[in-house]
Amino acid sequence: AQKITQTQPGMFVQEKEAVTLDCTYDTSDQSYGLFWYKQPSSGEMIFLIYQGSYDEQNATEGRYSLNFQKARKSANLVISASQLGDSAMYFCAMRELTSSGNTPLVFGKGTRLSVIA
Amino acid sequence: KAGVTQTPRYLIKTRGQQVTLSCSPISGHRSVSWYQQTPGQGLQFLFEYFSETQRNKGNFPGRFSGRQFSNSRSEMNVSTLELGDSALYLCASRRISGGAGEKLFFGSGTQLSVL
Repeated sequence: AQKITQTQPGMFVQEKEAVTLDCTYDTSDQSYGLFWYKQPSSGEMIFLIYQGSYDEQNATEGRYSLNFQKARKSANLVISASQLGDSAMYFCAMRELTSSGNTPLVFGKGTRLSVIA
Repeated sequence: KAGVTQTPRYLIKTRGQQVTLSCSPISGHRSVSWYQQTPGQGLQFLFEYFSETQRNKGNFPGRFSGRQFSNSRSEMNVSTLELGDSALYLCASRRISGGAGEKLFFGSGTQLSVL
């Protein structure tokens, strides 16, 4: 079963505007972590932001914030004031903490964001 | 502090050959994970090594194998290459301090093309 679903294959946003990238997840565990990574054309995956399942406040890191809705099992990434350098692939990922330890990080298919000048 | 280093950056092989990819984790990181990335399947987990032992394994055939050395450096090997093995292979390391929130640090990957 798909653990992480990103329904937007591609998105366009005007420079300086905000954009929301969608992510829904599936888990029966109570303890898990949600991550967002950015992959520019160079190929390296860059960590952006993390949200723990028990965190009551939405995570924020500079221009990145995570809109965490636990009951809906969604963890959308919000990028404020988009910049041309934000053009890249964005991946949502999840790790579950089970009785036998952490599971591997599982990724969604990604969303390609293009920022237009 | 040096990041995760993967070599080589690009590799071209023919069907039936075997290939070995190398990964040096960030200093102090004890876990190394490998992922295969293709346009159709996205990022798929191959395996994770910690203390020279395979800790987790993804759903890949036995042609895909790996190992970790005492200095935490890791290699992965693909034998009897198939056209479908063409992909970007990403290595990632983490410290192993526990908790679901430990992030992975990725290398730039090895782009493997099988002809």
